[in-house]
Amino acid sequence: SAVISQKPSRDICQRGTSLTIQCQVDSQVTMMFWYRQQPGQSLTLIATANQGSEATYESGFVIDKFPISRPNLTFSTLTVSNMSPEDSSIYLCSVHRVMSTDTQYFGPGTRLTVL
Amino acid sequence: QQQVKQSPQSLIVQKGGISIINCAYENTAFDYFPWYQQFPGKGPALLIAIRPDVSEKKEGRFTISFNKSAKQFSLHIMDSQPGDSATYFCAASITSGTYKYIFGTGTRLKVLA
Repeated sequence: SAVISQKPSRDICQRGTSLTIQCQVDSQVTMMFWYRQQPGQSLTLIATANQGSEATYESGFVIDKFPISRPNLTFSTLTVSNMSPEDSSIYLCSVHRVMSTDTQYFGPGTRLTVL
Repeated sequence: QQQVKQSPQSLIVQKGGISIINCAYENTAFDYFPWYQQFPGKGPALLIAIRPDVSEKKEGRFTISFNKSAKQFSLHIMDSQPGDSATYFCAASITSGTYKYIFGTGTRLKVLA
């Protein structure tokens, strides 16, 4: 398995501001993923973040709104830019490790409320 | 073709009963099917997973049944306990590609004491 931490665990932000969420893993991983989970809903993949390359975004998500950094094999950040109340969600990072099972391990999530 | 359909949306079971959650997929390229358990305020945690070369996998009280021809798989929780009350998500993945998961819509399980 993998130990994954996210910061902050929760935040309340004003409309129009930006928030950067950090994801730290206890060991090196090749693939990291960022998800959004709206209240009472399933998980929606925002983007895949591989070290050394640009993030790959899913349909409906754009880099200007959700810029992602992946500076090394244990860390990634997701920024939610120019926030609106519709961005209120839980944001989760997950990791997939080479030479492991095909399982993704999830962080505890960041609960974001935009006023 | 990329959807994974999950049912029921919610489920109430008596303590000691069997909880059954079903998922169906269309894309025959999927080759990995995990189930996740999520408690309020927590991230999803892997419960059990199966590949299409086996029809059943059991771990403790949790069993996955897999029907490749019908493109369906289900989670059975035997002797359900109040501590099993959580939201359960099935997922499907193509492991030779991007390893992206397609998640089902989730089932909220409540086990009555």
